[in-house]
Amino acid sequence: KAGVTQTPRYLIKTRGQQVTLSCSPISGHRSVSWYQQTPGQGLQFLFEYFSETQRNKGNFPGRFSGRQFSNSRSEMNVSTLELGDSALYLCASSSGLAGGLPNTQYFGPGTRLTVL
Amino acid sequence: DAKTTQPNSMESNEEEPVHLPCNHSTISGTDYIHWYRQLPSQGPEYVIHGLTSNVNNRMASLAIAEDRKSSTLILHRATLRDAAVYYCILNTGNQFYFGTGTSLTVIP
Repeated sequence: KAGVTQTPRYLIKTRGQQVTLSCSPISGHRSVSWYQQTPGQGLQFLFEYFSETQRNKGNFPGRFSGRQFSNSRSEMNVSTLELGDSALYLCASSSGLAGGLPNTQYFGPGTRLTVL
Repeated sequence: DAKTTQPNSMESNEEEPVHLPCNHSTISGTDYIHWYRQLPSQGPEYVIHGLTSNVNNRMASLAIAEDRKSSTLILHRATLRDAAVYYCILNTGNQFYFGTGTSLTVIP
């Protein structure tokens, strides 16, 4: 099975621009979660999508948004970029099954975003 | 969100066992204990998970305290490739909250 893929791997933007990142989950996985990783804050949960619906959301401003398509691929968008948005953005896929079962998450390599 | 506490860093000699501790005193009955690790320039990778009983897999062992308020990840023979940041996470459903993790240095 192919792993989680993220595109692009590296991105440079300037303040005020917007950016869209893409994530393709493992085949058969219906849940995609997004995380932001910075040296100061560590790994922070952004949101999770399951069957095209946002199911969980972290504590990030509305400039951060996402969506999921019918094939489970997901995109994350950040509008009006700020210098502090420079980070490694990771996505993770899982089966997303409910019922109290653990959902092992499989992470992609991340997209390194630099905001100048 | 459930919280975990881990030492910031640990060192181990190559080919010796490593015990990475984690405290999770606020764990609820439905929380699973997960361990992930992140190698430099990579996304986190799954190591092991458990609920109440100790668990073994090809990568590591997980020892869970009887009251479930702490756990220990055991690497039986550390190799240089095990140098990474190890995260202990409590999970219910599909939300994962990562703590600051333990940076493991393996000394040749």
